[in-house]
Amino acid sequence: DTGVSQDPRHKITKRGQNVTFRCDPISEHNRLYWYRQTLGQGPEFLTYFQNEAQLEKSRLLSDRFSAERPKGSFSTLEIQRTEQGDSAMYLCASSLEGSHGGGTQYFGPGTRLTVL
Amino acid sequence: SQKIEQNSEALNIQEGKTATLTCNYTNYSPAYLQWYRQDPGRGPVFLLLIRENEKEKRKERLKVTFDTTLKQSLFHITASQPADSATYLCALGGGGNKLTFGTGTQLKVEL
Repeated sequence: DTGVSQDPRHKITKRGQNVTFRCDPISEHNRLYWYRQTLGQGPEFLTYFQNEAQLEKSRLLSDRFSAERPKGSFSTLEIQRTEQGDSAMYLCASSLEGSHGGGTQYFGPGTRLTVL
Repeated sequence: SQKIEQNSEALNIQEGKTATLTCNYTNYSPAYLQWYRQDPGRGPVFLLLIRENEKEKRKERLKVTFDTTLKQSLFHITASQPADSATYLCALGGGGNKLTFGTGTQLKVEL
């Protein structure tokens, strides 16, 4: 399977703990995005990378959130001191800038986070 | 502020009919608009992209229209099937390629 993969698929944690999620994009894609989705809502943009550079962060991304893409391939999203309001589906997407499709983002299956 | 509206109520139609979903937006000038399908507990799946200079796009049983004057897109599924039952998301794109999504419309196709 050459699609976007995310790990873990589900994470249950206690309030105050740190969690880290991983995303592996489609191999030739140079852009990687993180979104958050709560029940009944559409995905909300968090941040995106072009290669290893983080180019934009939403104001939704508080200081407790940090994302990296160290070698321009996979990415990690860490949430420190989790709160119950962080419970959501965290989605990763990737795209190839400059391709004929231009702007088409392909999503992974998501990581469902539950903070108790 | 930017706002994207999709039919908030679920759309129930009979198999074989054409489903039409609406996406309206305000305070936004998107370079392109995309439609995604999402099944429960899964990530969105890309269906169609239409650019601001295009009026209509088709792919198999799917058709999308884009009216930048009305600030509206319509998404049609012809000859609908129960397997088309899902939530359909409208997403607007522009600088940086980040997408702004609507809340989605749930479609249920009944036998």
